[in-house]
Amino acid sequence: EAAVTQSPRNKVAVTGGKVTLSCNQTNNHNNMYWYRQDTGHGLRLIHYSYGAGSTEKGDIPDGYKASRPSQENFSLILELATPSQTSVYFCASGDASGGNQNTLYFGAGTRLSVL
Amino acid sequence: GDKVKQSPSALSLQEGTNSALRCNFSIAATTVQWFLQNPRGSLINLFYLVPGTKENGRLKSAFDSKESYSTLHIRDAQLEDSGTYFCAADPSNTNKVVFGTGTRLQVLP
Repeated sequence: EAAVTQSPRNKVAVTGGKVTLSCNQTNNHNNMYWYRQDTGHGLRLIHYSYGAGSTEKGDIPDGYKASRPSQENFSLILELATPSQTSVYFCASGDASGGNQNTLYFGAGTRLSVL
Repeated sequence: GDKVKQSPSALSLQEGTNSALRCNFSIAATTVQWFLQNPRGSLINLFYLVPGTKENGRLKSAFDSKESYSTLHIRDAQLEDSGTYFCAADPSNTNKVVFGTGTRLQVLP
């Protein structure tokens, strides 16, 4: 069974502070993704990665950085958190290499509140 | 959300009835995935589709890449089918998977 683990599960941050959301997957998947979920918007893609050392901008990358130091780990970094970044963040992994289907497996989500 | 439009945005069904959800794409989708987000917030993959159809129990999904749409049919709806259904598309095999805004389904006893 695919395993994607996010930490922390809940976070309260102050405006202007730095926030790091972590994601670890044990599936050996090449692709990893960060989405945010807000009412009325569904899941919007922030950053994604094709493998260790790779980060790509999604549809809403402004205000976020990403880091993929290894196959297993993909972090989302808010250098200067703002209240508009209050949301639920989901990480996912998938693997399209060697003809595999890029079926996405999601973590449980991180609820972030920026005060 | 603009690249993948889902309809309806919300739907209520009586238990035992059937329904159809739809996604329209303004991008060149090469594959489609359907997910259910249950009331606890977990996202569960239902289908991964290349052009064609798949069936799993009471669920059936179709993807027409030429007409740029996908459908999810739920037969004999059960209470546990309640939740939000999302479709997601991979444009031009880039692996940049983008989601629609979801259909909130409530199954009533």
